[in-house]
Amino acid sequence: SQTIHQWPATLVQPVGSPLSLECTVEGTSNPNLYWYRQAAGRGLQLLFYSIGIGQISSEVPQNLSASRPQDRQFILSSKKLLLSDSGFYLCAWSVPGASGYTFGSGTRLTVV
Amino acid sequence: GNSVTQMEGPVTLSEEAFLTINCTYTATGYPSLFWYVQYPGEGLQLLLKATKADDKGSNKGFEATYRKETTSFHLEKGSVQVSDSAVYFCALSGLGTSYDKVIFGPGTSLSVIP
Repeated sequence: SQTIHQWPATLVQPVGSPLSLECTVEGTSNPNLYWYRQAAGRGLQLLFYSIGIGQISSEVPQNLSASRPQDRQFILSSKKLLLSDSGFYLCAWSVPGASGYTFGSGTRLTVV
Repeated sequence: GNSVTQMEGPVTLSEEAFLTINCTYTATGYPSLFWYVQYPGEGLQLLLKATKADDKGSNKGFEATYRKETTSFHLEKGSVQVSDSAVYFCALSGLGTSYDKVIFGPGTSLSVIP
């Protein structure tokens, strides 16, 4: 069966420090992968999506970047965190051509 | 453009009350429709879905019917429990993009009190 792993679950980082969040999917090949952010009390914002290794598209300009070094691995990074980067980050995957996403359990990032 | 509108709440109900969360959409073509649920501190889980007009999705006592004529997909449950307290997101997909784009509504926060 397919599973998605996202870590860490919580993270507290100082302003200006780097960030690396990792997401891996098991049990499927060539999934579409997504990073979402959910700010406190607000809806979901799509940050990045990827339809293949090395193929990254950004939905909004920001302080973050994403990479897909392997078929089932998706990484969200920043060189220098800002206070406004705080939020709940969710990774998701979908089968190309099928409808609906499966989400990871999320990472709560607090930038202090 | 394509969009999803839902009541934002917060909605507060007593246990065993009837729940309706309204959702309407705007989309070209024939999207699939979803309800996702997010329990406190967790990621989103698919609650139910419907892929064509007049389909009814159901799960855990929740139901929603795909109404093309009113472009709606309202979520209902006959008797809510405290454990149903969560944020509910209406969503649509099937827009023909290369990456299975899903558009989410803003979410509706539900609190059920004993």
